[in-house]
Amino acid sequence: AQSVTQLGSHVSVSEGALVLLRCNYSSSVPPYLFWYVQYPNQGLQLLLKYTTGATLVKGINGFEAEFKKSETSFHLTKPSAHMSDAAEYFCAVSGSGGTSYGKLTFGQGTILTVHP
Amino acid sequence: ETGVTQSPTHLIKTRGQQVTLRCSSQSGHNTVSWYQQALGQGPQFIFQYYREEENGRGNFPPRFSGLQFPNYSSELNVNALELDDSALYLCASSWGSSSTDTQYFGPGTRLTVL
Repeated sequence: AQSVTQLGSHVSVSEGALVLLRCNYSSSVPPYLFWYVQYPNQGLQLLLKYTTGATLVKGINGFEAEFKKSETSFHLTKPSAHMSDAAEYFCAVSGSGGTSYGKLTFGQGTILTVHP
Repeated sequence: ETGVTQSPTHLIKTRGQQVTLRCSSQSGHNTVSWYQQALGQGPQFIFQYYREEENGRGNFPPRFSGLQFPNYSSELNVNALELDDSALYLCASSWGSSSTDTQYFGPGTRLTVL
């Protein structure tokens, strides 16, 4: 079984400030982890993913995330927020085997607001 | 390269009716996954099709069914619609059915059940 918890359904930052969106996962097999972004009335766009190898993953639009196995976390960060980053962000997990293989399990989402 | 497309964009049905949603996968992709996203929630996995065969199913009743065609496009059918079926239905395609294959999402079909 696998699950994702995103801490904070809403996060508000000022333009230029650090963005930190939190994600913790639970998985009975080694996880593969993803962050997706959803703009209003649109589908989901992949920001970055962790499968194996380097635990610090860099994605599009200046975002990065670090896989920490000991903390079962995969938090998303961006050093300096831009107005265009305002959207909803979803963390997702997929399993390396078992019934979770190939299936994405999403968190509840975090709405990011960026103030000028 | 054409991305994932879905039709229709919006749909309104009444309780008890049946609905068919369509998805065209990205060129070269042989796997399609369907997700239901209720308002204010994250997407939930319905099922996945790989080379025309169902390849995994989430916790959805049998009235949710699907098809994948030889060109890898796909349909989601929902019978006996219930009010709780109102949601955004997302289709995602990928090169394969592996967990490491990136799933590329379409814009979704917004279904409203009255």
